[in-house]
Amino acid sequence: QKEVEQDPGPLSVPEGAIVSLNCTYSNSAFQYFMWYRQYSRKGPELLMYTYSSGNKEDGRFTAQVDKSSKYISLFIRDSQPSDSATYLCAILGGNTGKLIFGQGTTLQVKP
Amino acid sequence: GAVVSQHPSWVICKSGTSVKIECRSLDFQATTMFWYRQFPKQSLMLMATSNEGSKATYEQGVEKDKFLINHASLTLSTLTVTSAHPEDSSFYICSATGGYGANVLTFGAGSRLTVL
Repeated sequence: QKEVEQDPGPLSVPEGAIVSLNCTYSNSAFQYFMWYRQYSRKGPELLMYTYSSGNKEDGRFTAQVDKSSKYISLFIRDSQPSDSATYLCAILGGNTGKLIFGQGTTLQVKP
Repeated sequence: GAVVSQHPSWVICKSGTSVKIECRSLDFQATTMFWYRQFPKQSLMLMATSNEGSKATYEQGVEKDKFLINHASLTLSTLTVTSAHPEDSSFYICSATGGYGANVLTFGAGSRLTVL
C-alpha cells in the first residue's frame, strides 16, 4: 500500500463546476498537508497548506483535512479553464521529514 | 512570497557530456534543498536532499557519482548530471524549505534535460 494514494484521473468538468480532488494516506503520524498545482512542463506551485483537521479556505479553493479518516480534499469552486492542470497532494512524512507526493490528478475544465 | 529560481529551463546535450542545473532561493535562505525527477505523467521522485555546507543525502537507487549535488551557500544548490545518456532525459525540479516555513516546499520551475 502506498503511503499516499491519489486517483490520477483524468477528471474533466464543465466550466463553473465544483471540483473535488482527494487523497488518502496511511500513516496517522503525518501532520503537514499540502496541495500543489502543476501546469504542463512547469514546476509545482503551492496552492494551500495546513496542519490541522478541518477546512481552510483561500478564494475559490478550500482544503479539507480529516485526520480520523486519513483523508484530504481540495475543492475548487466556479472552476475555470485556467484551472486545468495536474493537482498534487503532498504530505510531510512523520519521522523522515520528507514530503510524500500523491500521483497527481489531471484536471481539465472545459469552456 | 518565496521564490525559487531554476536555470536553465531547458537544455539539450550530447551523450557523454555533463550538464549543470542551478537552483536559487531568491528572497529567503534555504537551509535545505531537494532535487526531484519527474517522468511524463508521473509524480515527483525525490533524488536527494541537500543541506548547506554538507554532503547531500541520496535516495536509494540514485547514483551519487552520476548526479553530483553541491549546496555551497544558503541560496544556491547545483545538480550536475555527469556523462549524461539518453535515459537521463527527464524533468528535474528543485525545491527549498524556508520560504513559507520549515515544513513547506517551494519549487523551482523545473529544468527539462534532453540527451541526444
